[in-house]
Amino acid sequence: GENVEQHPSTLSVQEGDSAVIKCTYSDSASNYFPWYKQELGKGPQLIIDIRSNVGEKKDQRIAVTLNKTAKHFSLHITETQPEDSAVYFCAAGVIKAAGNKLTFGGGTRVLVKP
Amino acid sequence: DAGVIQSPRHEVTEMGQEVTLRCKPISGHDYLFWYRQTMMRGLELLIYFNNNVPIDDSGMPEDRFSAKMPNASFSTLKIQPSEPRDSAVYFCASTLTGLAGGPQETQYFGPGTRLLVL
Repeated sequence: GENVEQHPSTLSVQEGDSAVIKCTYSDSASNYFPWYKQELGKGPQLIIDIRSNVGEKKDQRIAVTLNKTAKHFSLHITETQPEDSAVYFCAAGVIKAAGNKLTFGGGTRVLVKP
Repeated sequence: DAGVIQSPRHEVTEMGQEVTLRCKPISGHDYLFWYRQTMMRGLELLIYFNNNVPIDDSGMPEDRFSAKMPNASFSTLKIQPSEPRDSAVYFCASTLTGLAGGPQETQYFGPGTRLLVL
């Protein structure tokens, strides 16, 4: 099955700096890569995703890049703000008609210091 | 929309007791997922349903765990008997059928049930 590894497990940045989280996956059939943000006491919430036919996607201060050959993808947060502090999860899955399952990385706890 | 609703939010029980976790998906969603989150293993998919039918339960850890979805607006995850190693946060998520016939990519998570088995 799919195995997703995520690094670093914790990340502390100064407000205004950039944060980068990296994930690798094992199953070359995976074609969908979402990123979820989990705030304290809440469930994960999708913040951005990318499909395997796209190399990069951007939404305001967040961007995701995908390298299919190397089987890794990354989340980039620019101009970090205190409200970006949370746990971020990457995931990988196969989108298909029969149903899709997501395999999640271990999570990265991001702390943005004011 | 109220989002995915889970109850209880917190549960403390003693080893050997039966535990029932409840989930109400977003109205109109026809896929429902149960996940378990622990520090050691992260976020793991336990089982998911489509139109109230279990599709994949390969993530269910053992026979002590069972899940049901008697109708489109309600699902339960039951642990009997519970053990201390079952202590975790259990999430329910739901989504709609996508264009390809499978679930849409975006899964909407509930707030979770924090379970502590003593």
